[in-house]
Amino acid sequence: GAGVSQSPSNKVTEKGKDVELRCDPISGHTALYWYRQSLGQGLEFLIYFQGNSAPDKSGLPSDRFSAERTGGSVSTLTIQRTQQEDSAVYLCASSLWTSGGYEQYFGPGTRLTVT
Amino acid sequence: GESVGLHLPTLSVQEGDNSIINCAYSNSASDYFIWYKQESGKGPQFIIDIRSNMDKRQGQRVTVLLNKTVKHLSLQIAATQPGDSAVYFCAEITLDDKIIFGKGTRLHILP
Repeated sequence: GAGVSQSPSNKVTEKGKDVELRCDPISGHTALYWYRQSLGQGLEFLIYFQGNSAPDKSGLPSDRFSAERTGGSVSTLTIQRTQQEDSAVYLCASSLWTSGGYEQYFGPGTRLTVT
Repeated sequence: GESVGLHLPTLSVQEGDNSIINCAYSNSASDYFIWYKQESGKGPQFIIDIRSNMDKRQGQRVTVLLNKTVKHLSLQIAATQPGDSAVYFCAEITLDDKIIFGKGTRLHILP
């Protein structure tokens, strides 16, 4: 595809339910990031995948959050037993280091609302 | 802890004037910095980046300045246009490739 895609674009769920958010990175990009953006706030780092290395999970806010990346491409962010404070826009980004520099491309995000 | 922050949360600029958005960082080990633009309802877009071995880098209508002595980063937008209205984030890349974002500055263009 031409860019990073995410699905669904919007998700409304009841408190206590599990949700899965999907990210399709740009083909060939080795790095994939998940961020969370609350209303009026900056981007909060959640998790980072780089190639076949173990992911950097240091940003995950609790053990209810997990993510995986299958085959080095598509990634799924799972939130179990959702809470109202989980409501936010979840952004995925992918990147590829090049000799000329570093660029990170973001998807449009998934807006999660927990009622 | 280490952090990246912005001096001003909102900046209003007359159309046609130049805009300057500032950012302070505290992680002296980071060697790469990026500016992103986020329009309403969209994900952030890469604007321009700069390595720590540079003081200045220019793009199309944008210039990024890096002052390592005072750990300050700025984004200059020349001849600001209505389409420049957005939230602008600075970010630093840590040695382990983690990106740390600031809260963002909203740029408001006055007619």
